[in-house]
Amino acid sequence: GAVVSQHPSRVICKSGTSVKIECRSLDFQATTMFWYRQFPKQSLMLMATSNEGSKATYEQGVEKDKFLINHASLTLSTLTVTSAHPEDSSFYICSARDSPNYHFGQGTRLTVV
Amino acid sequence: AQSVTQLDSHVSVSEGTPVLLRCNYSSSYSPSLFWYVQHPNKGLQLLLKYTSAATLVKGINGFEAEFKKSETSFHLTKPSAHMSDAAEYFCVDSRMGDSSYKLIFGSGTRLLVRP
Repeated sequence: GAVVSQHPSRVICKSGTSVKIECRSLDFQATTMFWYRQFPKQSLMLMATSNEGSKATYEQGVEKDKFLINHASLTLSTLTVTSAHPEDSSFYICSARDSPNYHFGQGTRLTVV
Repeated sequence: AQSVTQLDSHVSVSEGTPVLLRCNYSSSYSPSLFWYVQHPNKGLQLLLKYTSAATLVKGINGFEAEFKKSETSFHLTKPSAHMSDAAEYFCVDSRMGDSSYKLIFGSGTRLLVRP
């Protein structure tokens, strides 16, 4: 079946540095990918919709300069958390649309110290 | 606008007893609805989805859900709970965004299974 690979699964970074998270569709082409954020014991909050070859569409309240999204190919989208701060610590999950289905990565646990 | 409401934040059942996780939707037209499960610190797994082909949807691991338009509900059920069913369950709807359809998650229900 379709698989979405997300890397890294865990990352610890220092405050003020940037972190890049990759999301790859392994056996299908995904023109649309999504990035979610999940706080402990809470639901997934959609951050942005990533469209191949064009700018991402951000949800209200999400800082586009803080969370940079690049979808340069049909199989790869990246989320870069810039100038990370402890409040950015969270679980980030990507999803890729293989119409009519949606496939999810295993998530990335980001800890900013 | 579409949204889903999960009525219970926590549900606790004994192993071997039925499971009922409630979800209500609000939509002006027939929605596409999903149930996903998330085990601790893991990604999401699709249990089942409703796309108007049939009102009773059978999913994996013995789960099923019935779409009831008159009640605007899409409750998830399983006849007999297993310890491995303990996890977080999300009712999800599909909403048209600026450029494509996107999934919007309900608040989640944590299922606890007692031995």
